[in-house]
Amino acid sequence: DAKTTQPPSMDCAEGRAANLPCNHSTISGNEYVYWYRQIHSQGPQYIIHGLKNNETNEMASLIITEDRKSSTLILPHATLRDTAVYYCIVRDNYGNEKLTFGTGTRLTIIP
Amino acid sequence: GAGVSQSPRYKVTKRGQDVALRCDPISGHVSLYWYRQALGQGPEFLTYFNYEAQQDKSGLPNDRFSAERPEGSISTLTIQRTEQRDSAMYRCASSSLGEQYFGPGTRLTVT
Repeated sequence: DAKTTQPPSMDCAEGRAANLPCNHSTISGNEYVYWYRQIHSQGPQYIIHGLKNNETNEMASLIITEDRKSSTLILPHATLRDTAVYYCIVRDNYGNEKLTFGTGTRLTIIP
Repeated sequence: GAGVSQSPRYKVTKRGQDVALRCDPISGHVSLYWYRQALGQGPEFLTYFNYEAQQDKSGLPNDRFSAERPEGSISTLTIQRTEQRDSAMYRCASSSLGEQYFGPGTRLTVT
């Protein structure tokens, strides 16, 4: 019952911006959009989250459309170490609820 | 600072044996989560705790699986009478507010 839709895979040239889309057309008003990534066999790593405003941190930017039905994660200058599976997750509240992972987008950074 | 730790990192057991997987969360984190991840899939929620109280165990697949966190810190996930289908990576995460921090996981192989 994943609430998000992501492309299964994407490529991006090293040094370019990687733009990863996510559709979440059934998102409700109190649900946040979270992004995690998983590099190889490591545990998932938190990247960023947002409710309705665009957000930026040292890792990435998150752009959420005005109707909140989709979002884009932007890695501004992709490096080879950004090769990973990226998960877009909608999550109820800013509380301690479980994460429901879908299948994610496998991003490959090309040298 | 220390992150989430899990032990053992690898466990091979024979079918029918019981196993106990341990998670040591980040100090002070209120919430602790258990997930299971099959190869090529995203993590799947099993159960979570706030302090010592188990808040949601809806993801535990059957009554052979149980978890406890008696003092609100370290948690143990126990699988009784293991079966081959229990083979997976078992991941623990902890959080204080919002984002979850994942441990390295325990790779369980049931032969």
